[in-house]
Amino acid sequence: DAGVIQSPRHEVTEMGQEVTLRCKPISGHNSLFWYRQTMMRGLELLIYFNNNVPIDDSGMPEDRFSAKMPNASFSTLKIQPSEPRDSAVYFCASTAFSGGAGEQFFGPGTRLTVL
Amino acid sequence: GEDVEQSLFLSVREGDSSVINCTYTDSSSTYLYWYKQEPGAGLQLLTYIFSNMDMKQDQRLTVLLNKKDKHLSLRIADTQTGDSAIYFCAEGFIFGKGTRLHILP
Repeated sequence: DAGVIQSPRHEVTEMGQEVTLRCKPISGHNSLFWYRQTMMRGLELLIYFNNNVPIDDSGMPEDRFSAKMPNASFSTLKIQPSEPRDSAVYFCASTAFSGGAGEQFFGPGTRLTVL
Repeated sequence: GEDVEQSLFLSVREGDSSVINCTYTDSSSTYLYWYKQEPGAGLQLLTYIFSNMDMKQDQRLTVLLNKKDKHLSLRIADTQTGDSAIYFCAEGFIFGKGTRLHILP
């Protein structure tokens, strides 16, 4: 298995632009997570899905952020409009267990820079 | 709400033992985890402990769990330069902010 795949690996954009981050979880995994990591705030859980259904989005910073999981093999995190304070590394992770338990397998991350 | 806390930095001399501490608030998870993040990479599971255990040893790693105090620790014996990384404690899918381990020569 290729592991969790994220694209792009790096994204540089200008303030106000729309940004879409993509994730392909490990085949057969039931739960998918989006995290954001910054030096100041560490690793923050943004949202997680269980069987493609959003379960907890309380970590999503504001309405500019949205996430979808149209099927078991694909998820997107969209920021519109982007702001410089959104600059961070965004990780996607998946686990074979429902309810978010169990070992999480992380993707390599997308480093987002908003100018 | 649920929370996991750990110190942000730890400096240790090469060859000494490193001890990274973590406290958590929710005690419902069956497992508690330690993840390691090397520079430029995602997190990878390092070790875990079942919630009904007090200790788990795996080569240079020792995990201690005090359920009464909701305290988890990771001890790395004979710390090497390759151990330099960020270590995350996790209770279920709730992660601490990570402890950056710096190795002094």
